[in-house]
Amino acid sequence: GESVGLHLPTLSVQEGDNSIINCAYSNSASDYFIWYKQESGKGPQFIIDIRSNMDKRQGQRVTVLLNKTVKHLSLQIAATQPGDSAVYFCAESSGSARQLTFGSGTQLTVLP
Amino acid sequence: DTAVSQTPKYLVTQMGNDKSIKCEQNLGHDTMYWYKQDSKKFLKIMFSYNNKELIINETVPNRFSPKSPDKAHLNLHINSLELGDSAVYFCASSQGGVAGGRETQYFGPGTRLLVL
Repeated sequence: GESVGLHLPTLSVQEGDNSIINCAYSNSASDYFIWYKQESGKGPQFIIDIRSNMDKRQGQRVTVLLNKTVKHLSLQIAATQPGDSAVYFCAESSGSARQLTFGSGTQLTVLP
Repeated sequence: DTAVSQTPKYLVTQMGNDKSIKCEQNLGHDTMYWYKQDSKKFLKIMFSYNNKELIINETVPNRFSPKSPDKAHLNLHINSLELGDSAVYFCASSQGGVAGGRETQYFGPGTRLLVL
């Protein structure tokens, strides 16, 4: 079936560096994408979303890039801070689905 | 005030027992969800309700029964608990005005269920 997956299960970055978390999806009908952050012991928290009519969207210190040609999504975090340490999930939805399909998550660790 | 709340936060119980998890949202949303997160952090949709009506029912054992007394509440009842039911269960809600799942979902803090 269709799936959403991440290239790397873990990512370690130095504090102050930029982080890039990648996500691949296989459903060519996917038209909505969303990133969540899940800190230890908490529920997933919305970070940023993007619709398929865009290829880039920026938030506060975060940028999501969408490449529909290769079905790839990335989350860039600028000047990574210790508080950014968490598991990051991408999720997608398509017009016919009434749900989000989540990827497997990437554990981001920020090193001092 | 917590937007999406769940009780209890932790639930430890014996195999074969019946238990319930409660969820409430004060966001005025029309759609609510239950997800199961396994030990590898994989999040899988179980159920979705829109305005008290079931709209998504994934392949979940019929020991799991959601109940929505009103659109602000979606409770999950589990009969005859099994070891494999041990997981973290998340409730979520979304506005419900957008077709399909293409809208932000807001998650509760999770209920950590351990079946012994």
